[in-house]
Amino acid sequence: QVQLQESGPGLVKPSQTLSLTCTVSGGSISSGGYYWSWIRQHPGKGLEWIGYIYYSGSTYYNPSLKSRVTISVDTSKNQFSLKLSSVTAADTAVYYCARGLARRDDAFDIWGQGTMVTVSS
Amino acid sequence: SSELTQDPAVSVALGQTVRITCQGDSLRSYYASWYQQKPGQAPVLVIYGKNNRPSGIPDRFSGSSSGNTASLTITGAQAEDEADYYCNSRDSSGNHGFGGGTKLTVL
Repeated sequence: QVQLQESGPGLVKPSQTLSLTCTVSGGSISSGGYYWSWIRQHPGKGLEWIGYIYYSGSTYYNPSLKSRVTISVDTSKNQFSLKLSSVTAADTAVYYCARGLARRDDAFDIWGQGTMVTVSS
Repeated sequence: SSELTQDPAVSVALGQTVRITCQGDSLRSYYASWYQQKPGQAPVLVIYGKNNRPSGIPDRFSGSSSGNTASLTITGAQAEDEADYYCNSRDSSGNHGFGGGTKLTVL
C-alpha cells in the first residue's frame, strides 16, 4: 500500500526558501500513470493546490505561485520535493503531498499526513 | 487555476439525504473529485470521475454532474460524516483548483 510522508523544517524565516520532501513508500515514484503534487492549507482555511510533477518530469504550477515554486523528483530516493522561495507570513500553512491519478478521471487519491510550516523570524 | 464555488455550510438531519454542490466552468469539460476532511486530519478522497468511490468509502456517498455543477450526495447521513468537503477539478491548462469547502453539520 502506497504511503506518503512529508518532512522538512517546521520554521522558516521570512525571505528564505521553504524546502519540503515527500517520501513515497510501498510503490515506485517512477510508476507511470501518476503525478506527484503539493497542496497547502492556511490555518482555518481551505485547500490550495501548489503544483505537481508527472512521472515524466513535466511540471504544472499554480499561476499565483509559479514564480516562486519548484517541484522536483529524486527517483533514486523515491522522493519528490517542494521549494518555495521568498516566503512571507502568508506562506504559513500545513503542506500536504499527494499522489494524483494521471488520467481523465484524475484525483488526489493518496495524501500524506501534512506538515505545518510557520514563517517567522 | 480552476475556480470552483461551494456553499460554505450545509446541515442535514441524521439519516437524511444531503447534496453538496460545486460550480465552475471547468466542470463542463472535466470531472470533479471530492474530499472529506475532519479536524486535524488530512483530506480523504471520497468520489472521483463520473461516480467512482475509492475502496473503503461507504456507498452512501455518490457523485453526479450537470453542466457547470458537480454534486456530492450523501444518502442516509451518519454522525461520522460531519466534516468539511472540498471539490477539485482541473482546467484545460492542466492547472487544478479547489472549491472553498463546505462544512457539513449532521443534526
